Amino acid sequence: AQKITQTQPGMFVQEKEAVTLDCTYDTSDPSYGLFWYKQPSSGEMIFLIYQGSYDQQNATEGRYSLNFQKARKSANLVISASQLGDSAMYFCAMREINTGNQFYFGTGTSLTVIP
Amino acid sequence: DAGVIQSPRHEVTEMGQEVTLRCKPISGHNSLFWYRQTMMRGLELLIYFNNNVPIDDSGMPEDRFSAKMPNASFSTLKIQPSEPRDSAVYFCASSPLSGGPPGELFFGEGSRLTVL
Repeated sequence: AQKITQTQPGMFVQEKEAVTLDCTYDTSDPSYGLFWYKQPSSGEMIFLIYQGSYDQQNATEGRYSLNFQKARKSANLVISASQLGDSAMYFCAMREINTGNQFYFGTGTSLTVIP
Repeated sequence: DAGVIQSPRHEVTEMGQEVTLRCKPISGHNSLFWYRQTMMRGLELLIYFNNNVPIDDSGMPEDRFSAKMPNASFSTLKIQPSEPRDSAVYFCASSPLSGGPPGELFFGEGSRLTVL
């Protein structure tokens, strides 16, 4: 089974609108971290936001927020007030703390912000 | 602080040649990961080390690939002999193994390999 599933290969959003990028995960480790990374066309991987499995509140970082639904094993990224510079690939990732400390990445979602 | 340093940034080589990619993790980080990224296969984990010890190398495509981490500040990924299908961007990333959250991966800028 896939550890991280991103079902949206490509998404479009109008500038200044909000967009949600989906991510579901699969683990039996009670301790894990969830991450989102942005990869612009220049290629670097940029860490955006983190959610711990024991965190009670959804993580927020500026215009980024993580909609964490533990029972559904989902960790969707919400980008508010989209900007043209948000056009990029977005990867969801999970780190299992008690089982080898490995990082698992999804296949990514390509986001295009339309002016 | 210096980030993860990878070299070379770009390499063009001919099929059959040996390729060595290098990585210097962030000082104090004791987990190191090698990923390969292609359009067709996305981001694939090749191998990762904890405290210089390889933990999982099941992602290494075949015997032509090998990785070493002789000390905490240096790792290599070697391909011998290289083939055109090895053309990809190879990322090295490091992370602290313990300590508080978030414990995110810090990526290098990648090594773009082209095998002709």
